[in-house]
Amino acid sequence: DQQVKQNSPSLSVQEGRISILNCDYTNSMFDYFLWYKKYPAEGPTFLISISSIKDKNEDGRFTVFLNKSAKHLSLHIVPSQPGDSAVYFCAARLLHGSGNTGKLIFGQGTTLQVKP
Amino acid sequence: GAGVSQSPSNKVTEKGKDVELRCDPISGHTALYWYRQSLGQGLEFLIYFQGNSAPDKSGLPSDRFSAERTGGSVSTLTIQRTQQEDSAVYLCASKRTVQETQYFGPGTRLLVL
Repeated sequence: DQQVKQNSPSLSVQEGRISILNCDYTNSMFDYFLWYKKYPAEGPTFLISISSIKDKNEDGRFTVFLNKSAKHLSLHIVPSQPGDSAVYFCAARLLHGSGNTGKLIFGQGTTLQVKP
Repeated sequence: GAGVSQSPSNKVTEKGKDVELRCDPISGHTALYWYRQSLGQGLEFLIYFQGNSAPDKSGLPSDRFSAERTGGSVSTLTIQRTQQEDSAVYLCASKRTVQETQYFGPGTRLLVL
């Protein structure tokens, strides 16, 4: 049962344009969402996050939008740069409570290619 | 080096052999996680350590997998009698208790022949 889904395995955009990566989830108990970026042969690096009490968080060229009613979040990168080419993982955390471990549930990843 | 480190970076082993993977978390991080990423898949949670509490082993796929964390710092993940389906990248992450962000190591790429 895939609780976090990234339905697009790959995305190709032109340098300078906007990249939009999508993520859907099924568990309404998720309260915190993160995006990680992964280059080949490296571990994932944290990019940006959003709490479920917000609907938008912005950090430079990166903005994450959360639509709780649709159980959908998206990562916008604008303008896209060739160095942004990587695999992007969406992750979700279960609501804090006794015994909660903070473990992350990850999507399958989307490979972004930004063409010069 | 302030990041999470893992060793070895690559491991090739024969089916049926045991392997041990090591993780050195960021100093001061009390929470430690192991994940694995199989080919074409997302990251799959394996096990979680928090201080002296009992670990959350709910993600371990079989009893061939075990992990320990000595002294609240270094952790080792052991896979006994490896199978070809164990081939994956094994990733370790750590975080401070109150932080939400997990910081990942570079991973160990395991290939079981």
